[in-house]
Amino acid sequence: GAVVSQHPSRVICKSGTSVKIECRSLDFQATTMFWYRQFPKQSLMLMATSNEGSKATYEQGVEKDKFLINHASLTLSTLTVTSAHPEDSSFYICSARDVGGVNEQFFGPGTRLTVL
Amino acid sequence: LAKTTQPVSMDSYEGQEVNITCSHNNIATNDYITWYQQFPSQGPRFIIQGYKTKVTNEVASLFIPADRKSSTLSLPRVSLSDTAVYYCLVGDMNRDDKIIFGKGTRLHILP
Repeated sequence: GAVVSQHPSRVICKSGTSVKIECRSLDFQATTMFWYRQFPKQSLMLMATSNEGSKATYEQGVEKDKFLINHASLTLSTLTVTSAHPEDSSFYICSARDVGGVNEQFFGPGTRLTVL
Repeated sequence: LAKTTQPVSMDSYEGQEVNITCSHNNIATNDYITWYQQFPSQGPRFIIQGYKTKVTNEVASLFIPADRKSSTLSLPRVSLSDTAVYYCLVGDMNRDDKIIFGKGTRLHILP
C-alpha cells in the first residue's frame, strides 16, 4: 500500500524557536496533503490543506503566519511551527491523497512536538 | 461531509466479536463510509470502506443497511492488540478532499 512518512518522529525545542516537520509520499504523487493536530485523548483536528504549487488553505482558527505550509513538490509538504510555545506541544499528523487512486487517504506516522 | 455519531467507548474480551455502530443520518448519495483505526502516538490506519450492503476484508467486515443511515464495523475474534480508537467517516472522497474526524470510539480489549 501507499506510504507516507514524516520527519522527525519527535522533536523537543525551546520556546520561541521554529520547528519544521516534513511529510513525504514515498511511492505515489499527492497534489493535496493535509495537516492535523491531535492533543492527548482527543480526535484529530484538521489544520490546513496543502496544495502543490499554491497557497495552503487553513481551517478557521488556525493562524497561517504561525503554521507555515509549503508544498513544493508532488511528494513533499512541510509544516513550520514558528515561534513555538508550550501550548503548541502536540502530535502533528499529515495525510496525502493519491492522485491516481480513489477514495482513500494515507496518513503519516505523526510527529510528537514538545516545546519547553 | 456528513456528521457521524459513534459510542465514545467500548470494552470487550479477547476472542469476542466486536461490533461498533456509527450513525450518519444525513449521508448523501455519493458518500462512502470509511473506517480508520488509530493506535496511541501513531497515524490513523485505513481499515475498510463501503457504499452499501456488506464489505469484508482480511481485517474486518462492514455492514450497511439499505437506508445507509448507519453502518456497523465488525471485528472478528479481537485480541489485545485491537485496543485502539476507531473512527467512522462519511463523505464523497472524490469531491471532499479533506477528512474531518469525529470523536471516534475508544475500544478496550480485556484479557
